[in-house]
Amino acid sequence: EPEVTQTPSHQVTQMGQEVILRCVPISNHLYFYWYRQILGQKVEFLVSFYNNEISEKSEIFDDQFSVERPDGSNFTLKIRSTKLEDSAMYFCASRRTGGSLRNTEAFFGQGTRLTVV
Amino acid sequence: DQQVKQNSPSLSVQEGRISILNCDYTNSMFDYFLWYKKYPAEGPTFLISISSIKDKNEDGRFTVFLNKSAKHLSLHIVPSQPGDSAVYFCAASNNAGNMLTFGGGTRLMVKP
Repeated sequence: EPEVTQTPSHQVTQMGQEVILRCVPISNHLYFYWYRQILGQKVEFLVSFYNNEISEKSEIFDDQFSVERPDGSNFTLKIRSTKLEDSAMYFCASRRTGGSLRNTEAFFGQGTRLTVV
Repeated sequence: DQQVKQNSPSLSVQEGRISILNCDYTNSMFDYFLWYKKYPAEGPTFLISISSIKDKNEDGRFTVFLNKSAKHLSLHIVPSQPGDSAVYFCAASNNAGNMLTFGGGTRLMVKP
């Protein structure tokens, strides 16, 4: 069964360093998302991406964050200068069709645990 | 501003009995609701959904009920099985459909 894959599973980085989290969405999916979950808290939306551009982003997704689909298969989340509070589990998700989510649900990857020290 | 709330952080149920997980929302623009199940060290997995034009959707042991006037939905699992032990998140989207807003999750423990 096709799945969303994320690498690495765990990333430890020093505060102020740049990190890139990688995701390979399901191949025929068109919509891509990043969510995060700080330990013990709820899953929070960061950004959605369609047709090579951001379609929606949350307040969390500030200038330190960027997303890219560099080669038609990977979908990356970059944090330019990490802060301690960026430590969280980051989930990538993809969805096949557009419009309302009633068409199809989002499939999530296993997550990347980012630890900023 | 928590638009989707799951007020019970945990729930413990005996195997074979019914599990009822609750979710409340405040945004009247939400018109599609989903339940996700999450095991430790894994991403959320889609379980069941319901559109606001319905008040009930059933899939095997899982049934979701929607009460629009109360802005409340619930997930019923019957009979509960130990393998159902996980964190359950409800999520909602509006007509734009681009973004899911998640509740805080409820940890369900089904005891054998």
